[in-house]
Amino acid sequence: NAGVTQTPKFRILKIGQSMTLQCTQDMNHNYMYWYRQDPGMGLKLIYYSVGAGITDKGEVPNGYNVSRSTTEDFPLRLELAAPSQTSVYFCASSYSIGRGNQPQHFGDGTRLSIL
Amino acid sequence: RKEVEQDPGPFNVPEGATVAFNCTYSNSASQSFFWYRQDCRKEPKLLMSVYSSGNEDGRFTAQLNRASQYISLLIRDSKLSDSATYLCVVSGTASKLTFGTGTRLQVTL
Repeated sequence: NAGVTQTPKFRILKIGQSMTLQCTQDMNHNYMYWYRQDPGMGLKLIYYSVGAGITDKGEVPNGYNVSRSTTEDFPLRLELAAPSQTSVYFCASSYSIGRGNQPQHFGDGTRLSIL
Repeated sequence: RKEVEQDPGPFNVPEGATVAFNCTYSNSASQSFFWYRQDCRKEPKLLMSVYSSGNEDGRFTAQLNRASQYISLLIRDSKLSDSATYLCVVSGTASKLTFGTGTRLQVTL
């Protein structure tokens, strides 16, 4: 049972480069999320999706884009990498229906450095 | 006021000790509550959900106080392997959870 899979695990980018962080889940979860976590800090929500074709901004969306063409996949795109985007990126998913929230399941993260 | 507030710690306790963490939340409409554990440079992992009547999972006990808007986590008989950061998580809108910044626990010999 793979759960939430993120690739790559590590990446170094130069300023101005672009890249896509991949996230896929095999639990048939309808909700998916992208967070970033800077050293010693809490999780900050970048974007989230409540189903295929639906995405919405979180707390810190600037400099990122997402798409959700399938239930399984939720890639995060960095268009013009900046040093401030150096962070650990976590993808998460959950299954929610009606009121109340189910817990989120996390991938093991992508460690991204922008130099 | 932050949506979810936790004492960052660190809490340094000897093996075998009992330790408790509290967390306060601001949204009185929150319906779901969780404790997550995060090891250094790893992903957060669900420790336990928190139910209105309180619940226990082995050495871990979680309590919810809706009137005062706080949840607690009690760890009995602490182990070295319990050393981690504990995240308090509260539901926000119907589709999002709000994560606290965490309380760091260090269990020592």
